[in-house]
Amino acid sequence: ETAVFQTPNYHVTQVGNEVSFNCKQTLGHDTMYWYKQDSKKLLKIMFSYNNKQLIVNETVPRRFSPQSSDKAHLNLRIKSVEPEDSAVYLCASSRDWVQDTQYFGPGTRLLVL
Amino acid sequence: GDSVTQTEGPVTLSEGTSLTVNCSYETKQYPTLFWYVQYPGEGPQLLFKVPKANEKGSSRGFEATYNKEATSFHLQKASVQESDSAVYYCALRSGGSNAKLTFGKGTKLSVKS
Repeated sequence: ETAVFQTPNYHVTQVGNEVSFNCKQTLGHDTMYWYKQDSKKLLKIMFSYNNKQLIVNETVPRRFSPQSSDKAHLNLRIKSVEPEDSAVYLCASSRDWVQDTQYFGPGTRLLVL
Repeated sequence: GDSVTQTEGPVTLSEGTSLTVNCSYETKQYPTLFWYVQYPGEGPQLLFKVPKANEKGSSRGFEATYNKEATSFHLQKASVQESDSAVYYCALRSGGSNAKLTFGKGTKLSVKS
């Protein structure tokens, strides 16, 4: 049963547009993450949030910004998308910052034309 | 930093044959090791994890032994099924306060009937 929800499933947009992806977890976890998965299935961590606080910010372009309203929600905004942003964006959560098992959502596939 | 190297895919097998996906890791800490599996259209899900050296993890007929001396965590299954077709990721989480998961590049497995 899905416990990490992501919307939308799929989004197509033009270069230069702004997009926003939503993630919600119903597991009662404190920590949430955003990953980027490229066409070769390579997984790269982008951001980690613990209890609404940003704790890890990997080297990602500044047009990417995470937003957390509460510990169950972590959204991702991309200002002025570029073709290389085409990928699957995966949201995940874990019980806390120390707990190592992460639970992933189904992903949002972004296509930039 | 931490790194994980695994068998480069894709790997294509016939039903009933055996599977080995090699995984080697590098870290200066004492890691917990993971295998995640990603089915088409879904996010990665934990297959199993092993926190201690020389112990074995298993799930759904898959198994792997945490070999600290060889820094390896090879995934094996004696007899694969078509439903095992997926991408398999080896990952590690090093000890201490850093909860970041380091993933391998993933190995795509296709099982033909």
